[in-house]
Amino acid sequence: AQSVTQLGSHVSVSEGALVLLRCNYSSSVPPYLFWYVQYPNQGLQLLLKYTTGATLVKGINGFEAEFKKSETSFHLTKPSAHMSDAAEYFCAVSAGTASKLTFGTGTRLQVTL
Amino acid sequence: GAGVSQSPSNKVTEKGKDVELRCDPISGHTALYWYRQRLGQGLEFLIYFQGNSAPDKSGLPSDRFSAERTGESVSTLTIQRTQQEDSAVYLCASSLVFGGGELFFGEGSRLTVL
Repeated sequence: AQSVTQLGSHVSVSEGALVLLRCNYSSSVPPYLFWYVQYPNQGLQLLLKYTTGATLVKGINGFEAEFKKSETSFHLTKPSAHMSDAAEYFCAVSAGTASKLTFGTGTRLQVTL
Repeated sequence: GAGVSQSPSNKVTEKGKDVELRCDPISGHTALYWYRQRLGQGLEFLIYFQGNSAPDKSGLPSDRFSAERTGESVSTLTIQRTQQEDSAVYLCASSLVFGGGELFFGEGSRLTVL
């Protein structure tokens, strides 16, 4: 079975500051890892994903995440926060193509002026 | 359709009543998931369907919850004898490829049990 832990249910950053949202996973097989974003009053949408290959993956809106097997982590970063980044971010893991997605509890990102 | 469609978008019901929530996945998507999102909490897996395989019902919280899917089309989630703790947003998602593929989510059905 796989699981995901997101550290910090709420993160607040100033506009222009670095965004770092933490995600650690547990999986008995090589994982597929995802970040989804939920903007206010909208459905979830995929931000980026890692399946195989390059461990640094780039997503939409300037976000990126790095798969670190030794640390069992898949932290999400963005160099410079924008007000429009305020949303709920969910990390998710699946154990490959024959497994359902398991989501973390989410991190709410607040961006202040 | 262009995206995953869920209905109703909002449902208010009295404790003890049955409710049905509907999901229309993206055409051609073989995998369909139901999740529950309680206020201020993460996504709780309920059930998934993958093609003609037996569904994984391991996330259903009680026998009051059931779901069906006809082939690779519409799915309905039924909650019998609703309780106040069933109040949540019920999210449906579909995917071309099970597991490693991108999930496309509907906007959810918000259920309030009075």
